[in-house]
Amino acid sequence: GEDVEQSLFLSVREGDSSVINCTYTDSSSTYLYWYKQEPGAGLQLLTYIFSNMDMKQDQRLTVLLNKKDKHLSLRIADTQTGDSAIYFCAEKEGGFKTIFGAGTRLFVKA
Amino acid sequence: DTGVSQNPRHKITKRGQNVTFRCDPISEHNRLYWYRQTLGQGPEFLTYFQNEAQLEKSRLLSDRFSAERPKGSFSTLEIQRTEQGDSAMYLCASSPVWDSEATNEKLFFGSGTQLSVL
Repeated sequence: GEDVEQSLFLSVREGDSSVINCTYTDSSSTYLYWYKQEPGAGLQLLTYIFSNMDMKQDQRLTVLLNKKDKHLSLRIADTQTGDSAIYFCAEKEGGFKTIFGAGTRLFVKA
Repeated sequence: DTGVSQNPRHKITKRGQNVTFRCDPISEHNRLYWYRQTLGQGPEFLTYFQNEAQLEKSRLLSDRFSAERPKGSFSTLEIQRTEQGDSAMYLCASSPVWDSEATNEKLFFGSGTQLSVL
């Protein structure tokens, strides 16, 4: 079945890089996503990657995809206190349903 | 356009009461989703509308839950005879995808309705 797993917590110092990891089970996933949720708010799409790509860079964000191992990662360069939030990995196959992981809580220490 | 709007933001109710939530999607977004999120978890899919048609319902959606999108614009989610286990954040999301075969779908979420059942 469909399942997305993430580590629950990550703590980094301001200015360091953050790497959030995710594994998924559905090999037919065509798109994989990273969403961000701040306290009391809904989810906001950060970036996405198509399954035939290995890497995608978008300003401070770098997404790496290892399709063989079904492993996705999000690297945030020069992490700021404003990056403190919950980051959700999500996968989507064909059709309509997007499946979310439980989220990784990123704490950024000043 | 101010994004996806959900009302109310918070709802406290007693067990056994009925509650109704409203979602106003981004205008012209034809797809609308309801998700439920509990503390420490990611959003779980509940149901999906393509325009006014409800095309899929999760097994999580018991008979006490009903959702409508009568004119293909706003949507309501009603929970009858609420139970303490219904306490959660109910999230609405919309998407501008028109092609039923499209696989890249960016979801735009509202801020959610936090339901507490006492």
